[in-house]
Amino acid sequence: SAVISQKPSRDICQRGTSLTIQCQVDSQVTMMFWYRQQPGQSLTLIATANQGSEATYESGFVIDKFPISRPNLTFSTLTVSNMSPEDSSIYLCSVEGQGVGETQYFGPGTRLLVL
Amino acid sequence: AQSVTQLGSHVSVSEGALVLLRCNYSSSVPPYLFWYVQYPNQGLQLLLKYTTGATLVKGINGFEAEFKKSETSFHLTKPSAHMSDAAEYFCAVGGYQKVTFGTGTKLQVIP
Repeated sequence: SAVISQKPSRDICQRGTSLTIQCQVDSQVTMMFWYRQQPGQSLTLIATANQGSEATYESGFVIDKFPISRPNLTFSTLTVSNMSPEDSSIYLCSVEGQGVGETQYFGPGTRLLVL
Repeated sequence: AQSVTQLGSHVSVSEGALVLLRCNYSSSVPPYLFWYVQYPNQGLQLLLKYTTGATLVKGINGFEAEFKKSETSFHLTKPSAHMSDAAEYFCAVGGYQKVTFGTGTKLQVIP
């Protein structure tokens, strides 16, 4: 399994500002994923980030609002732009493990509160 | 297309009692099935997974799940609940490099 860290672990931000969340993995991985978990809800996939290519966004998520970088095989960032209170969520990055079964391993999450 | 249905958003059991968390799935291809646990203020941790082979899968912390193709189910069980099992549990189905999560079941363990 992979060890994943995220920064910051939590933040309180003002409406209209932007926050960049970092995700670091202890091994090289091809695919990294960004999820949102709104209060009391399940995980929703925002986008899939492959190194060297543009991120692939799920329906309802756009690059202008959630720009993603993937500069190498161990690191990715997700920016939440022009935030509103509706963006208050836990943001989780995950990576796909090796072998059969597409097991995803998750970071500890970033808890974001927008005022 | 794939989807997951978790029956019961909240489940309460007494300490020492059987834990049963229900999950039904829909998938157009042979599924990979997962159970994850999320403790308060933490990320998700893999409990167990089914890919192929033996339909009864054992995971960490004494949990197990059985893949029943005829019932399209992958229910999670533990013979005896412990206070430390209180958490939220997510069932997930994978296929074609995409994993879909259920809405989660919060398990409460009563002393």
